[in-house]
Amino acid sequence: GAGVSQTPSNKVTEKGKYVELRCDPISGHTALYWYRQSLGQGPEFLIYFQGTGAADDSGLPNDRFFAVRPEGSVSTLKIQRTERGDSAVYLCASSPGTNNEQFFGPGTRLTVL
Amino acid sequence: RKEVEQDPGPFNVPEGATVAFNCTYSNSASQSFFWYRQDCRKEPKLLMSVYSSGNEDGRFTAQLNRASQYISLLIRDSKLSDSATYLCVVNVYSSASKIIFGSGTRLSIRP
Repeated sequence: GAGVSQTPSNKVTEKGKYVELRCDPISGHTALYWYRQSLGQGPEFLIYFQGTGAADDSGLPNDRFFAVRPEGSVSTLKIQRTERGDSAVYLCASSPGTNNEQFFGPGTRLTVL
Repeated sequence: RKEVEQDPGPFNVPEGATVAFNCTYSNSASQSFFWYRQDCRKEPKLLMSVYSSGNEDGRFTAQLNRASQYISLLIRDSKLSDSATYLCVVNVYSSASKIIFGSGTRLSIRP
């Protein structure tokens, strides 16, 4: 079956611009996670959805970052006024529940010039 | 202090060798533990869950020591294809699920 997909695979933007990153989880998975990974580091937790609601958004670095999952399936991570330090690979993962294996998408590589 | 710490390596070992690495965690409320594998420029994939009694999957053995707050991964008869970064993952249950990844241990198997 289809795995987790993320679009775009690469995004290059200029400092100050707004970007949206999309995640399509595995069908039926209620839990959805967003992570950010910089070179040489492990994935850094950003936000976790259980269904439509953000169960834990404690990892969002500041109020420029926001994520939604309006229908409990597709999620969008939104970054306003991008900064060079936002450059990283943004990973999305989904899971059947909160204590199950997470299935990761291929990530979106964001570069802020 | 990081909540989950791993030796970044790299561990460079010959094919056929046995290699082990540890991961320590600081939050005693941690409730579930995993090892993920990540190949270069790829997404992480689950290698194995770690159970309190220890568990084995082929050449891979995972152990959990709650008293000392560490988990370990042992790879026997290493193969060239085992070259990757191994990520330790801890799930802390407080008011909501919190997943914490270590920075990873790089393993390189040489012929």
